[in-house]
Amino acid sequence: DIQVTQSPSSLSASVGDRVTITCRASQSISTYLHWYQQKPGKAPNLLIYSASTLQSGVPSRFSGSGSGTDFTLTISSLQPEDFATYYCLQTYSSLMYTFGQGTKLEIK
Amino acid sequence: QITLKESGPTLVKPTQTLTLTCTFSGFSLSTLQVAVGWIRQPPGKALEWLTHIYGNDDKYYSLSLKSRLSITKDTSKNQVVLTMTNLDPMDTATYYCGHLTVPGYYYDSWGQGTLVTVSS
Repeated sequence: DIQVTQSPSSLSASVGDRVTITCRASQSISTYLHWYQQKPGKAPNLLIYSASTLQSGVPSRFSGSGSGTDFTLTISSLQPEDFATYYCLQTYSSLMYTFGQGTKLEIK
Repeated sequence: QITLKESGPTLVKPTQTLTLTCTFSGFSLSTLQVAVGWIRQPPGKALEWLTHIYGNDDKYYSLSLKSRLSITKDTSKNQVVLTMTNLDPMDTATYYCGHLTVPGYYYDSWGQGTLVTVSS
């Protein structure tokens, strides 16, 4: 199995802050890493696919980078609506997709 | 516009079999360039990928749950059915279906989810 370690598990930040969330894969997954935002009681929403491509309709303050084993999701200037839980998903191995453990982003 | 919606029982007894249906619109599940999958989320916990099926009927299952899962599709009805056997209270979760885009292999559209509680 390909393991994905997401960090931090929780994060407190203020509106306007720049925040970074990291996912590390246990082996190279090229750019088969995607980022989701989930708000309470809602389905996940795709933010970034293939490590760095912004999904249509997603604000440009969200960006992704990385390849191989190390990936980051960056929010350049936090807005009130960004407080949510974020997940990464690796889909390199067709035999087993893996989500990260999630990062809960809270208001400081 | 792609839409998906999950349906099925909300309460299931331990050891029973769960059958969930994902009804979708906006695409046809008839080619290798698209798949529909299932993901679940226990209350307060992380997302867990379960399975998906491609339009050519290729199927993939979570290694940890493979013996208990089955996924099928009915192209004429635009439906995908998940079956999970021998349910346990730890299977209590919200179950989502999602549209998988190829290439890229990411879920770009999700259903609203359905909460399934396993309890006697």
